[in-house]
Amino acid sequence: DGGITQSPKYLFRKEGQNVTLSCEQNLNHDAMYWYRQDPGQGLRLIYYSQIVNDFQKGDIAEGYSVSREKKESFPLTVTSAQKNPTAFYLCASSIDASGANVLTFGAGSRLTVL
Amino acid sequence: EDQVTQSPEALRLQEGESSSLNCSYTVSGLRGLFWYRQDPGKGPEFLFTLYSAGEEKEKERLKATLTKKESFLHITAPKPEDSATYLCAVQAWTGNQFYFGTGTSLTVIP
Repeated sequence: DGGITQSPKYLFRKEGQNVTLSCEQNLNHDAMYWYRQDPGQGLRLIYYSQIVNDFQKGDIAEGYSVSREKKESFPLTVTSAQKNPTAFYLCASSIDASGANVLTFGAGSRLTVL
Repeated sequence: EDQVTQSPEALRLQEGESSSLNCSYTVSGLRGLFWYRQDPGKGPEFLFTLYSAGEEKEKERLKATLTKKESFLHITAPKPEDSATYLCAVQAWTGNQFYFGTGTSLTVIP
């Protein structure tokens, strides 16, 4: 079945450590996104990529980094510069970014800072 | 500024008790309005896309409608398995971002 795979599902990090969240899709979608979800807040965009080797900052990119070396993969690194990283992280993809295309989401990764 | 407001924040219904969820939006040219369902600890699951005022879409017990300022998700004779958080999102013609509301948490009691 086509879809988006996020890993790990749960991750614990000590303060000062960088962690990388994996996102892989086999939908042949061009566009990929990373969102952060906190209780009582809507999904907030961290980064998105419309094509391989290109990506743009979203509303809350500070303290995060991404890469898009392959069409299928869009990993997110949460750096030690992110002051409040505990959250639920969602990866999504769409066919492309040119139309009102549906976002397909992964199951999410929950990061907890100890 | 583009934004989305959902109400109520939480809704408890008896099984079979119909109701509606509201999504008010402000956007500079609507490209599309999306409804998603999210179960606890999982990613959102797509329900509907609406593109223009007057449009309606249905799926089982759910019906989504759209005006120039808001969308409603009508739930007819809900069942306990309809319990979830329902998210609304809009996409404007300018830019590629989706703007999400904070969701309505629906609980259907048997």
